[in-house]
Amino acid sequence: QVQLVQSGAEVKKPGASVKVSCRASGYTLASHDIHWVRQATGQGLEWLGWMTPDRGSSGSGLKLQGRVAMTTNTSINTAYMELSSLKSDDTAVYFCARVRCVGDDCFADSWGQGTLVTVSS
Amino acid sequence: DIQLTQSPSFLSASVGDRVTFTCRASQGIGSDLAWYQQSPGKVPKLLIYAASTLHSGVPSRFSGSGSGTEFTLTISSLQPEDFATYYCQQFNRYPLTFGGGTKVEI
Repeated sequence: QVQLVQSGAEVKKPGASVKVSCRASGYTLASHDIHWVRQATGQGLEWLGWMTPDRGSSGSGLKLQGRVAMTTNTSINTAYMELSSLKSDDTAVYFCARVRCVGDDCFADSWGQGTLVTVSS
Repeated sequence: DIQLTQSPSFLSASVGDRVTFTCRASQGIGSDLAWYQQSPGKVPKLLIYAASTLHSGVPSRFSGSGSGTEFTLTISSLQPEDFATYYCQQFNRYPLTFGGGTKVEI
């Protein structure tokens, strides 16, 4: 079955970078977009950006623009999200999610288990 | 950016209750809306997409409706496993956005 398995928890200092991986199984990563979402403790979901693996195109919200990079390695069915110049309010659980589209109707139907990124001095 | 406002933020209910909550968009998004359920410590789970299409495997007690700027999610008979937080997400235009969530409590 479709599964997204993310890398383990990270602790980083302010100003550092973090790279989270998301390995897909049960389907070919290149077939669907991967989106990234984060959730601070006790807070709601925040959409971060998207990546189209087979084209290598990506985009993000204005809040993280310039600090976030989304890439894929389709040979190992893995997507990556790298966030740089980390600040304390980047502390959150980061999720990858597969987004499928049926015609014009799109939705995130499979999610990774989440990766806790803690930014602390 | 398209803002999604969910109401209420919290809802107290009992097993067997029929509950309805709302997601309002700051501008028209057609039917490009999905609903997710997130239980504490768990990953969000897709319930509804395209405003009213039930995702495969989701119980029929869940239903969605609406288009344009106003959407609703209804649970016809609340079950113990339904006590969770529910989020709407718009797929109409980037940046995609989520609503703030509705927490359903006993």
